[in-house]
Order: sequence, then structure tokens, then C-alpha cells
Amino acid sequence: DAKTTQPTSMDCAEGRAANLPCNHSTISGNEYVYWYRQIHSQGPQYIIHGLKNNETNEMASLIITEDRKSSTLILPHATLRDTAVYYCIVIYGGATNKLIFGTGTLLAVQP
Amino acid sequence: DTAVSQTPKYLVTQMGNDKSIKCEQNLGHDTMYWYKQDSKKFLKIMFSYNNKELIINETVPNRFSPKSPDKAHLNLHINSLELGDSAVYFCASSRKTGGSYEQYFGPGTRLTVT
Repeated sequence: DAKTTQPTSMDCAEGRAANLPCNHSTISGNEYVYWYRQIHSQGPQYIIHGLKNNETNEMASLIITEDRKSSTLILPHATLRDTAVYYCIVIYGGATNKLIFGTGTLLAVQP
Repeated sequence: DTAVSQTPKYLVTQMGNDKSIKCEQNLGHDTMYWYKQDSKKFLKIMFSYNNKELIINETVPNRFSPKSPDKAHLNLHINSLELGDSAVYFCASSRKTGGSYEQYFGPGTRLTVT
């Protein structure tokens, strides 16, 4: 079972920041928070991941609360091409790398 | 160049047939995976190989047999296909096994069993 809770869907206006929340209240100290997205009919795409600190890359920023029980993925300037299902996944940092996908958040970017 | 590629993209076949799906990655990664996405869009891991060695084998019928001839290739052979096998199958790879390594996915193979 997925260890995360996400809203089923969200809307965002084109050009605005999209903030996607994720709750992972049972996360343990050696578990990472990953974000992937799946654009319609394509394979999942890696976005960003973090352990404790906030992270930023060319696609997005990841803000992890101090207690690590929740996080927010931020797309700073959403475009229509960012419409996708976004998955927040918690994964153990140990030997295996088994992604367990939940139902994700369908982000619809509106023109 | 495509990082993770799969062939074929579409596969339509009849019940009872045997079919194979191929996956190749040119990223130099050690670990490869097969995932299944069913009609309800749930993505579930099936298998993982690290340097040609099977390391994850979820509860998958033994009609499904993965094979890794080298660490750049992971194929999936399915015997005696059933209607319930209809799904999109995604291959993925990561630099190494372990939770700190992101996975890169292929475009998927849409399998339809009639």
C-alpha cells in the first residue's frame, strides 16, 4: 500500500505556481520522498526527490516540513504541458528500490 | 537517443498465445524494472534485476518470466496469455538499486489480449 495521501485533483492557471501537497505521516528517518508524474499515455517521469532538506532542480522545488510528515511539490510557472498525474512516493533508502505508486493528484493546468 | 526503449509499442494477441516484450537502456544503469499499469491506471512493480540478478519478484503468475541477457536489457516473456494480462507494461532503469536512485521509465508497451 502507498504510504502517502494526496488530493485527487487540482487546478492551476497557466503561468502560476502549482503547489501539490502530500502527507506521509508515517515516514521513517531513512525514507526518501520522491515525486514522479505521468503525462497521458506516457511513461512516468522522475521530477525530484529529497530526504530532509528542501531541493530544487530545473523542473521543480520540493519543500519538506521539519517533522518530515508532509511535503509540497512546487512547479514555479505551470504550463499546459504540466497537466499530468503527479505521484508522491515514499521509499526506503536501503537495498531495494521498489516504487509503490498510489493514485496521485491529477493536475489540470488551465489556459 | 532514447534512454529507455521498449518494443513493441503496441501488441494485440489472442488468449493462449506466448509473447515477449523487450526493453533496452543506454544509460549505463545497473538496475532495471518491469511495471504493469492496469485499466484502472494503477502502476505496480513486477520485477527488478540488478546486474542481471533478480532482486524483486512481486506476486506475479509464473506465466511471466523476465530475462536479463546483460545489464542493458530486460525482456519479459508471457506464456498462455489471459484477458487479464491486458495492460500497459513499463520498463524502467536506475543507476543502482537502493532508494536514493531515481528511476527512468520507457514509453510503455500496450498489450491487448482478445
